[in-house]
Amino acid sequence: GAVVSQHPSWVICKSGTSVKIECRSLDFQATTMFWYRQFPKQSLMLMATSNEGSKATYEQGVEKDKFLINHASLTLSTLTVTSAHPEDSSFYICSARDRMADTQYFGPGTRLTVL
Amino acid sequence: TQLLEQSPQFLSIQEGENLTVYCNSSSVFSSLQWYRQEPGEGPVLLVTVVTGGEVKKLKRLTFQFGDARKDSSLHITAAQPGDTGLYLCAGARGGADGLTFGKGTHLIIQP
Repeated sequence: GAVVSQHPSWVICKSGTSVKIECRSLDFQATTMFWYRQFPKQSLMLMATSNEGSKATYEQGVEKDKFLINHASLTLSTLTVTSAHPEDSSFYICSARDRMADTQYFGPGTRLTVL
Repeated sequence: TQLLEQSPQFLSIQEGENLTVYCNSSSVFSSLQWYRQEPGEGPVLLVTVVTGGEVKKLKRLTFQFGDARKDSSLHITAAQPGDTGLYLCAGARGGADGLTFGKGTHLIIQP
């Protein structure tokens, strides 16, 4: 099946710093990628839709100025958590839509811990 | 807001027993997916159902999409310890849309 990678797999940072997470589709082109957040013992919640070459669309309640998304190429989307705080600690998971297969493939996730 | 109610949230049974997990919504989805997620990893797709009334089988797992495309079920026959994990249902509003996930079912199969 298609492969989606995320980098880093885990990160620990101090409160107030910014953290960038990369999501790559390794063997297909993804015009659309999605970012999800998963808190412990909870399910995935869609944060935003990342569209190649255009602005991301955010779900209700997600601050676009805090979670910056850039989808500069057909294989890469980045999520930057700006001025991170402990409440931003979570498991961030991306998915990439393979348009040819009309299927979303998920990355392995990035564990963010803000101290 | 489209919600997916998944039940049960927790289930612990003995090896060899059968079980069914339900995923219900008041809204219609264009498709519904079932995923399995291991701790610290991303969800892995098990199946996608698209047509109302559709039934798909994956070895001991049987997936069904309701006629009205509002609900789905996952049935596992003769459960094994290797089936232990978090099972998630997710619905798509359209092909290019993000997924709405249910809360998940934590399944434990005891040997």
